[in-house]
Amino acid sequence: GEDVEQSLFLSVREGDSSVINCTYTDSSSTYLYWYKQEPGAGLQLLTYIFSNMDMKQDQRLTVLLNKKDKHLSLRIADTQTGDSAIYFCAERAGAGSYQLTFGKGTKLSVIP
Amino acid sequence: EPEVTQTPSHQVTQMGQEVILRCVPISNHLYFYWYRQILGQKVEFLVSFYNNEISEKSEIFDDQFSVERPDGSNFTLKIRSTKLEDSAMYFCASPTQDMAFFGQGTRLTVV
Repeated sequence: GEDVEQSLFLSVREGDSSVINCTYTDSSSTYLYWYKQEPGAGLQLLTYIFSNMDMKQDQRLTVLLNKKDKHLSLRIADTQTGDSAIYFCAERAGAGSYQLTFGKGTKLSVIP
Repeated sequence: EPEVTQTPSHQVTQMGQEVILRCVPISNHLYFYWYRQILGQKVEFLVSFYNNEISEKSEIFDDQFSVERPDGSNFTLKIRSTKLEDSAMYFCASPTQDMAFFGQGTRLTVV
């Protein structure tokens, strides 16, 4: 079945860039998503990318997609303490399904 | 961001009791999804619901679970006889063509 893998932890200094990586196995993925989860809270959709794109930029967020290697990354520029959270990568299967498969999440810690 | 509303935000129940979790998805959406997240683990798909019928379900979604759309706006997940291992965050999701919005979740604690 589909699988999504992420590293579990990332620690960066305030003001630096953070890069969170994700790999997935489903070659028929149509959309890939990044969600942010703060402690005890829900899943906030940060950004997403369609599988025929290789880059998407949205303010401080840059998503890069390497479809050949099935690798997705999220870059957060000028990381702030408020960015400390768990970041989930998720992929959506092919046409006809909106079901998402999630990674385990990467806990981003921002050091002041 | 469009809003998906879930109630209650937290529910504590005794093992063996029935619980009903509620969701108000984005209006006019036809697809609804339930996911759960056991503490410290992945967010897992439970079931999808389209046009008043289950369209997909996972292995987790066994006979103790059911979903209903009791009226035009509400969408429920019922767990008939809760077990300790049902303790988790339960999320409702309301997808659009290209995005998927989640509610804030219901934290279910079974004691």
